[in-house]
Amino acid sequence: TQLLEQSPQFLSIQEGENLTVYCNSSSVFSSLQWYRQEPGEGPVLLVTVVTGGEVKKLKRLTFQFGDARKDSSLHITAAQTGDTGLYLCAGNRDDKIIFGKGTRLHILP
Amino acid sequence: EADIYQTPRYLVIGTGKKITLECSQTMGHDKMYWYQQDPGMELHLIHYSYGVNSTEKGDLSSESTVSRIRTEHFPLTLESARPSHTSQYLCASSEWDSHPTNTEAFFGQGTRLTVV
Repeated sequence: TQLLEQSPQFLSIQEGENLTVYCNSSSVFSSLQWYRQEPGEGPVLLVTVVTGGEVKKLKRLTFQFGDARKDSSLHITAAQTGDTGLYLCAGNRDDKIIFGKGTRLHILP
Repeated sequence: EADIYQTPRYLVIGTGKKITLECSQTMGHDKMYWYQQDPGMELHLIHYSYGVNSTEKGDLSSESTVSRIRTEHFPLTLESARPSHTSQYLCASSEWDSHPTNTEAFFGQGTRLTVV
């Protein structure tokens, strides 16, 4: 059973479009993290959301933590080809960092 | 920039050979992890450690073993490599801190292992 479900699994859109990807769980997390991984590299942290309902912005990326702290979303405005990559959400469970399966995002020029 | 290093970056080795993948971090983190990831696929936790002399198996069964004799060093060993072990292996570390904002995992660049 996957503790963190990410959707969609794959997303391919044109440059300039907006998109939202999701991370859902039936469990409450004290915080959730979003990472981006490029081919051949390790994941790199984008943001940590801690408070229910919290919204954080990172340039064109907007992250939201659900009020019940069970889900999170990542919205990208005016996607660019440089946004292409694997987006992973992660949470702390039993003193381990666990990851969702990720959303593979491909931005077409 | 994360101070966690993995060597080698790439390794092609014959079936039956013993190999050790190195991982070192200079951040003084207590927690360290090994993940296995096939290209474009999810991360699978195979080993983790809470500190020196602590090692635990992760969610994905693996024939590899790990050791944690020093805080900064968390090597992974395969006694007899097989083609099914071909994958990318990612090492990570994080602080031992219950505060939710201090749970960031810092990753190395990974070792891409091919067993022929």
